[in-house]
Amino acid sequence: AQSVTQLDSHVSVSEGTPVLLRCNYSSSYSPSLFWYVQHPNKGLQLLLKYTSAATLVKGINGFEAEFKKSETSFHLTKPSAHMSDAAEYFCVVSGPYNQGGKLIFGQGTELSVKP
Amino acid sequence: DGGITQSPKYLFRKEGQNVTLSCEQNLNHDAMYWYRQDPGQGLRLIYYSQIVNDFQKGDIAEGYSVSREKKESFPLTVTSAQKNPTAFYLCASSIQGANGYTFGSGTRLTVV
Repeated sequence: AQSVTQLDSHVSVSEGTPVLLRCNYSSSYSPSLFWYVQHPNKGLQLLLKYTSAATLVKGINGFEAEFKKSETSFHLTKPSAHMSDAAEYFCVVSGPYNQGGKLIFGQGTELSVKP
Repeated sequence: DGGITQSPKYLFRKEGQNVTLSCEQNLNHDAMYWYRQDPGQGLRLIYYSQIVNDFQKGDIAEGYSVSREKKESFPLTVTSAQKNPTAFYLCASSIQGANGYTFGSGTRLTVV
């Protein structure tokens, strides 16, 4: 079975300061992990994905995440927040395709960026 | 450009009526999925299909139905049996082995 826990429902940072959104996962398989971003009333946009290659994954808009198997974590970071980063972020684990390839979503973290 | 199109963007329904949400993709993806999003609950899987003429229930299939007559299309019907249908509905697709999913822009359904 797989599950995802996002440790913070809301994170607030000031513009120009670092962003850290925390995610822990549980998986009985070697997982594929994703971070998606959602702006209000919009669909989901893929920020980055981990699929058992490099453990440090770089994504779009300056975001990156590090896969740590020993800690079962996949935290999302960005060195300097921008106002346009304010959105909801989802950590997601994918089940094996031969079992449906279903995505299991965390509850989401709402990121606020103060000027 | 390839992508997923969901229509309509906003939909209003009277209680007791069935309504169908459209999802079309031109990505040649094998699998398609329907998710429901409620505030503070992330996304939950309603139905999915990995091949034409076959589909499987997800975690919250009660009160919903789907069909997959064409690879490109995976419409979702919200029936009157769905007790709390007001939500944001997202369609997604993926291709086997690619570990990538593409999402539509969503349909917001409101029951009035």
